[in-house]
Amino acid sequence: GEDVEQSLFLSVREGDSSVINCTYTDSSSTYLYWYKQEPGAGLQLLTYIFSNMDMKQDQRLTVLLNKKDKHLSLRIADTQTGDSAIYFCAESYTSGNTPLVFGKGTRLSVIA
Amino acid sequence: DAGVIQSPRHEVTEMGQEVTLRCKPISGHDYLFWYRQTMMRGLELLIYFNNNVPIDDSGMPEDRFSAKMPNASFSTLKIQPSEPRDSAVYFCASRTGTGWETEAFFGQGTRLTVV
Repeated sequence: GEDVEQSLFLSVREGDSSVINCTYTDSSSTYLYWYKQEPGAGLQLLTYIFSNMDMKQDQRLTVLLNKKDKHLSLRIADTQTGDSAIYFCAESYTSGNTPLVFGKGTRLSVIA
Repeated sequence: DAGVIQSPRHEVTEMGQEVTLRCKPISGHDYLFWYRQTMMRGLELLIYFNNNVPIDDSGMPEDRFSAKMPNASFSTLKIQPSEPRDSAVYFCASRTGTGWETEAFFGQGTRLTVV
């Protein structure tokens, strides 16, 4: 069955890097996603990675995928107070035809 | 497009009452999902539709929950009768079924409190 695990809390100082980790169980996962949820809002897609990639960089965001260990991470460089939010890891295993399976989310707190 | 629109944003009701949550997906999206978010369980998929047809409702907690999608631009999630343990934030999301960039767009959610 599908299962996505994340640590629940992370606290970092402003300007430091944040690393949010996620493990998943379904080896047939094709797409892996990071969503961000700000207080009182819905989820917004931050970035995604296809399973044939090891890394993806997008401005301050770096996604690393270790398929052997089924481990996904999101690194936020130069973390700002506006990055404080809940970050969800999600997986899906066909293009557009199956719903996303989400982890419980990691609450990132950025200390000024 | 205004995005996925959910109503109401907040709902407070008494135990035993019927509650109806509403969702308008993004025009042209042929998948619609209902999720429930709680601190204990995170985001749980309740049900999803493809072209207005329910595909998988195995996440619906029990018979008190029902969902409909009478047309491509509207869906409802109904709880009857409601119980305090139904208190949660309910999200609707939609996406297209084509292309490999399968981004799901979420509404802002309905915060339900059953007292």
